[in-house]
Amino acid sequence: QKEVEQNSGPLSVPEGAIASLNCTYSDRGSQSFFWYRQYSGKSPELIMSIYSNGDKEDGRFTAQLNKASQYVSLLIRDSQPSDSATYLCAPYSMDTGRRALTFGSGTRLQVQP
Amino acid sequence: DTEVTQTPKHLVMGMTNKKSLKCEQHMGHRAMYWYKQKAKKPPELMFVYSYEKLSINESVPSRFSPECPNSSLLNLHLHALQPEDSALYLCASSRQGGDYGYTFGSGTRLTVV
Repeated sequence: QKEVEQNSGPLSVPEGAIASLNCTYSDRGSQSFFWYRQYSGKSPELIMSIYSNGDKEDGRFTAQLNKASQYVSLLIRDSQPSDSATYLCAPYSMDTGRRALTFGSGTRLQVQP
Repeated sequence: DTEVTQTPKHLVMGMTNKKSLKCEQHMGHRAMYWYKQKAKKPPELMFVYSYEKLSINESVPSRFSPECPNSSLLNLHLHALQPEDSALYLCASSRQGGDYGYTFGSGTRLTVV
C-alpha cells in the first residue's frame, strides 16, 4: 500500500508567521508532487507543484522536495487568516498500474488574527 | 475555459432510487477521475478514465457505475446506495498522465436516506 503521511494538526500559527507543512511518502515511483488547499465544504484547489529536488517559490508559497528522503514540504510566509484550510499533499505515481494522485490525510492550518 | 463543472451540487436520494452525477470539462484533458470524500478524510480514488476508456477501478461496489460518453463528459450512475455512501463526490480532469496535477470540480454533496 502506497502511503502518504501528513501531520493532521491543527497547526496553529499567528498572522504574519511562517507556516511549515510536511509530508512523507513511501512510493519511490513518485515523480511529481502537488499541494492542494481545501476549505471546509469546498473542493481541493491546486496551489503548488514541484518536480525536482530543491525549492520552488510562488508568491508566499515555497515547496521543497527531497526525493532521497522521500519528503516534501510547503512553507507559507506571512500567513493570513484566509490561509486557514486543510492542505493536502499529493504525490503522482508513475507506476504503470496506478497512474493517479494519492492524497495524504491533510494538515489543518489555523492562522490566528 | 479552465473549469470542471459538476451537477447537481447537492443530491438527496433514497436507497431505492437511481440517479446520476454529471461532470464536464472543456480543457482538452484526456484523463478524468471520480473521487469520494468523507468528512475530515482525504479524497479517495474511485475511477480513472483515460482517452474515454476505464483504466482504474479501485474495487468500487457495482452500485456505482461510471460512464465516459466522450472526452468532455463523465457520468457516475448511482443505484441502490446505502446511507454510508453519503459523501462529497469529486470529479477531476488532467492532461494525459496527470503529472501536471488535476483540476477539480466543485463536487456533488450526496446524501442517501
